[in-house]
Amino acid sequence: IAGITQAPTSQILAAGRRMTLRCTQDMRHNAMYWYRQDLGLGLRLIHYSNTAGTTGKGEVPDGYSVSRANTDDFPLTLASAVPSQTSVYFCASSSGASGWNEQFFGPGTRLTVL
Amino acid sequence: GQQVMQIPQYQHVQEGEDFTTYCNSSTTLSNIQWYKQRPGGHPVFLIQLVKSGEVKKQKRLTFQFGEAKKNSSLHITATQTTDVGTYFCAGPTGNQFYFGTGTSLTVIP
Repeated sequence: IAGITQAPTSQILAAGRRMTLRCTQDMRHNAMYWYRQDLGLGLRLIHYSNTAGTTGKGEVPDGYSVSRANTDDFPLTLASAVPSQTSVYFCASSSGASGWNEQFFGPGTRLTVL
Repeated sequence: GQQVMQIPQYQHVQEGEDFTTYCNSSTTLSNIQWYKQRPGGHPVFLIQLVKSGEVKKQKRLTFQFGEAKKNSSLHITATQTTDVGTYFCAGPTGNQFYFGTGTSLTVIP
């Protein structure tokens, strides 16, 4: 079944540790996105990629990095986790050259940083 | 900074009543999209409006994009228990994409 997968489903992490959240899509979408969702704040864009090989900063990029080596994968790395990065992280993808159209979301990763 | 606010934050309705959520952006949006997120789930795309003043309907749901492309609304007629969830507006401005704060809908049977 086509779609987006994320791993892990949930993770508890000690502050200062490095963590990579994985995201893979099999829809051959050009654009991919990472969001964090916090209660009362909706979803906020962390980083995006309009096509393989390019990335851009979203609204809240500090403390996070991404790479887009190929079309299917878009990992999000926390180099040194802090408690304020406790959140639910969603990966999404969309087709089309502009990217800013219908987005398909993965199931999310619930991350707790202690 | 850019803000996309939605009101109300929460809404409880009796099944069969109507429901409306309003979305307001501090800047002009290229388009407006609406998503629904069920409790414990992920956002699911509902619709996209592009033109100023555009109105679209999906069965009991009516979506409107304001003339200035800074506000939008979602109206549900005769709510059902399957409408439960959080409704988000969202849209691009420049090279950024912003989600609204969401309206959580509870439908009482």
